[in-house]
Amino acid sequence: EAQVTQNPRYLITVTGKKLTVTCSQNMNHEYMSWYRQDPGLGLRQIYYSMNVEVTDKGDVPEGYKVSRKEKRNFPLILESPSPNQTSLYFCASRSLGGHSYNEQFFGPGTRLTVL
Amino acid sequence: AQSVTQPDIHITVSEGASLELRCNYSYGATPYLFWYVQSPGQGLQLLLKYFSGDTLVQGIKGFEAEFKRSQSSFNLRKPSVHWSDAAEYFCGASKIIFGSGTRLSIRP
Repeated sequence: EAQVTQNPRYLITVTGKKLTVTCSQNMNHEYMSWYRQDPGLGLRQIYYSMNVEVTDKGDVPEGYKVSRKEKRNFPLILESPSPNQTSLYFCASRSLGGHSYNEQFFGPGTRLTVL
Repeated sequence: AQSVTQPDIHITVSEGASLELRCNYSYGATPYLFWYVQSPGQGLQLLLKYFSGDTLVQGIKGFEAEFKRSQSSFNLRKPSVHWSDAAEYFCGASKIIFGSGTRLSIRP
């Protein structure tokens, strides 16, 4: 089954404790991205990647890191989480081939709480 | 700056009633427009998208949307809602700009 998976689905942590949220897709998509969803703000893009070893900042990159060492994986790293990073996070992927406006496929989300 | 506005934060409609969710965009050229639905505890699922051609777009689950350039709008419609349509709906442009979402509740 074609899908985007994220782990963990729920995470409660404390300020300053490094964490990583994993994202993996099995569709051989070139493009992957991370969003955070906050009430009243919709989804905002954190980082995106056009291919392996190619990453770029989205609208709200501060406090986050990403890496793209393999095509299928795109982990989101919070080196020193703070309470304002409490949010619902979504990973997404899409193909860059063929028609230029391909559907984005979203993961199920990771609900992060930083105390 | 490019932006997408969903003016309604929360809408409640009766089961079987018609539905229209509003979406306005601010963009230099005709953008790629889409609607996603997020059911409780779930990820986002694409309902429909518009890039060019026929301005009335049919999507999944009986939804449709109409692109109106003169009004910079891309409103989502459904003639008769079902209880399972209760969810949050996001309008967006160019794949990375999302509106703030409209939560839809269904009255039995």
